[in-house]
Amino acid sequence: DTGVSQNPRHKITKRGQNVTFRCDPISEHNRLYWYRQTLGQGPEFLTYFQNEAQLEKSRLLSDRFSAERPKGSFSTLEIQRTEQGDSAMYLCASSPGTAYGYTFGSGTRLTVV
Amino acid sequence: AQSVSQHNHHVILSEAASLELGCNYSYGGTVNLFWYVQYPGQHLQLLLKYFSGDPLVKGIKGFEAEFIKSKFSFNLRKPSVQWSDTAEYFCAGISGGGADGLTFGKGTHLIIQP
Repeated sequence: DTGVSQNPRHKITKRGQNVTFRCDPISEHNRLYWYRQTLGQGPEFLTYFQNEAQLEKSRLLSDRFSAERPKGSFSTLEIQRTEQGDSAMYLCASSPGTAYGYTFGSGTRLTVV
Repeated sequence: AQSVSQHNHHVILSEAASLELGCNYSYGGTVNLFWYVQYPGQHLQLLLKYFSGDPLVKGIKGFEAEFIKSKFSFNLRKPSVQWSDTAEYFCAGISGGGADGLTFGKGTHLIIQP
C-alpha cells in the first residue's frame, strides 16, 4: 500500500500522559498536513509542513501540541499532558501541491480517560 | 474569515433517487473547492475538485458538482444514487494560492435505503 500510513490506529491514554503519533506520507509528496476530527464535525486544520519546514499552525494547536517532520519525510505529532478534550481522530494528509488535493491516512483515534 | 458550510447534516434517500448536497463558501478572491467522501470505516477520499475553467466538474463514481460564483455555492450532485453511496460527504475549500490547509464543512451524513 503506497498511501498515507498512520500509527497507531488507536490510542487510549490516561489524562496527563504524553502521546505521540506518527504519519508516513506518500514519498513523492512534499506537503504534509495534520487535522483533528471530532464526532459530527469536519476535519479541523492543525498544522502544515512543506518538506521539513512547519509553515502554518492553527490557533487550535495549543502549547501542549508539537509537530515535527525531520528530513522532510515522516512526521510526528506529540500531545503533552493530555486532557479529555483532546479525545478525537487525528488525521494526516499529504499532497504534492494544492491543485492535486490531499491524500488522507486512516487516522489515529485518541481516547483520553 | 474563510468558511465552508453544509446545510444538510443528514439526508436519507431511496436507491435511484437523485442527490444534491449543498455547500456554500465565504472566501475573498479566488477559491479552490473540493468534495471528499468517507465511507464507513474508511479514510477520506477525494471525489472531485474545482480550480478554474469549466464550472461543472465531474468526479469519480458518477458524482459531479457545479461552481456558481454568484451564489458562492459548490453543490454536489448525482442523478441516481446507490446503496453503496451511503457515507459522510465533506465539502472543503482553500483560497487560491493559500498556504494553509483546507477548510472543511461539518459534513453531510447520507443514508441510502435499498
